[in-house]
Amino acid sequence: DIQMTQSPSSLSVSIGDRVTITCQASQDISESLNWYQQKPGKAPKLLIYDASNLKTGVPSRFSGSGSGTDFTLTISSLQPEDIATYYCQQYDNLLSMYTFGLGTKLDIK
Amino acid sequence: QVQLVQSGAEVKKPGSSVKVSCKGSGGTLSSYVISWVRQAPGQGLEWMGGIIPMFGTAKYAQKFQGKVTLTAVESTNTVYMELSRLTSEDTAVYYCARGSGWDFFEYWGQGTLVTISS
Repeated sequence: DIQMTQSPSSLSVSIGDRVTITCQASQDISESLNWYQQKPGKAPKLLIYDASNLKTGVPSRFSGSGSGTDFTLTISSLQPEDIATYYCQQYDNLLSMYTFGLGTKLDIK
Repeated sequence: QVQLVQSGAEVKKPGSSVKVSCKGSGGTLSSYVISWVRQAPGQGLEWMGGIIPMFGTAKYAQKFQGKVTLTAVESTNTVYMELSRLTSEDTAVYYCARGSGWDFFEYWGQGTLVTISS
């Protein structure tokens, strides 16, 4: 099974910061990588799909990059409403399987 | 707009089973992958399995093979997740989610809290 290593597990941030979260796959997954945002008590929301595609309606301060084994989610200028936990997710559409990273929790410094 | 509405919270005894529903509105679920994702208290997201209602066959994560059963009733646009032989470790929020294929989860249900308690 493919393992996803997400880092950091938590991050103390300030409003306006540039935030970078990374996700590393245990083997080449091409661009089969998605990013989600989850706020307490709520269902996750899709932000980025296929490594770098911004879902319609998601603010442009969010961006994704990477391919192969190394991926990055960047928030260019953190806003208060971005305080949440972020998860990467790998998918294998041949085996019909998914794996999530363990998450990165953002909190205010 | 597409919505996934899940059944309400459940409290179950160890050793029993629970069945959670996920009903679609604003569009048919039939040709889409409907997955179930578990989140234990204070923990991350864990994919359990998925089903395409029009085909009826499900795919399960290895950890949940023999533990979870996914079914679908096309006429009511509803997918079900049944979890058996419940233990305290099954206490979690369970989400259904829709993807166009085996790719990303664009729509999510509101979540169903299942509590296992004697």
